Amino acid sequence: DTAVSQTPKYLVTQMGNDKSIKCEQNLGHDTMYWYKQDSKKFLKIMFSYNNKELIINETVPNRFSPKSPDKAHLNLHINSLELGDSAVYFCASSPLSGGGDTEAFFGQGTRLTVV
Amino acid sequence: DAKTTQPPSMDCAEGRAANLPCNHSTISGNEYVYWYRQIHSQGPQYIIHGLKNNETNEMASLIITEDRKSSTLILPHATLRDTAVYYCIGHGSGNTGKLIFGQGTTLQVKP
Repeated sequence: DTAVSQTPKYLVTQMGNDKSIKCEQNLGHDTMYWYKQDSKKFLKIMFSYNNKELIINETVPNRFSPKSPDKAHLNLHINSLELGDSAVYFCASSPLSGGGDTEAFFGQGTRLTVV
Repeated sequence: DAKTTQPPSMDCAEGRAANLPCNHSTISGNEYVYWYRQIHSQGPQYIIHGLKNNETNEMASLIITEDRKSSTLILPHATLRDTAVYYCIGHGSGNTGKLIFGQGTTLQVKP
């Protein structure tokens, strides 16, 4: 029973296209995140939502738009894809926002390749 | 959140204990020390965390020095499946839950 699931797992698309990545968690957590891992393997947070409200936006280009229809889902829509958007995108969730004593659960990642 | 420093890579023989160090000299009093790992092509996985006291769970033990400036993650009997990148992260309250990943330590467990 997957706790944090992302779809699709792989996504290959051409420059200029618009694509979405979906994420769902069945843990009952209040907070969800999107992280990006680039080709050098650096993991960096992009966005965080708490109960459908955006609480972190780490200077990500506005071509990236997260959407949270409910607290169990956080989708990532990317407009006008560029070569530099190629990366692995991880969704995560945690029970609390702002607490130091909470662990995060990550999905298996979506490998996006822009050609 | 505290800046952490880890060795870039380590080797360990299968069946032996793997001791992964982390320096976090700027950690503040309310920041926890968290350890995550990332096995190749998978999402990061939570291992353990602690504030002041040593902690142990089914995966690992965490030893935090008394001055809290450094810690060691111990995998008591490393297996080949423990080969991964291990991240030490200082994580405090009031930071909206985001995790700041460094470069981590690549642990290679060898037969």
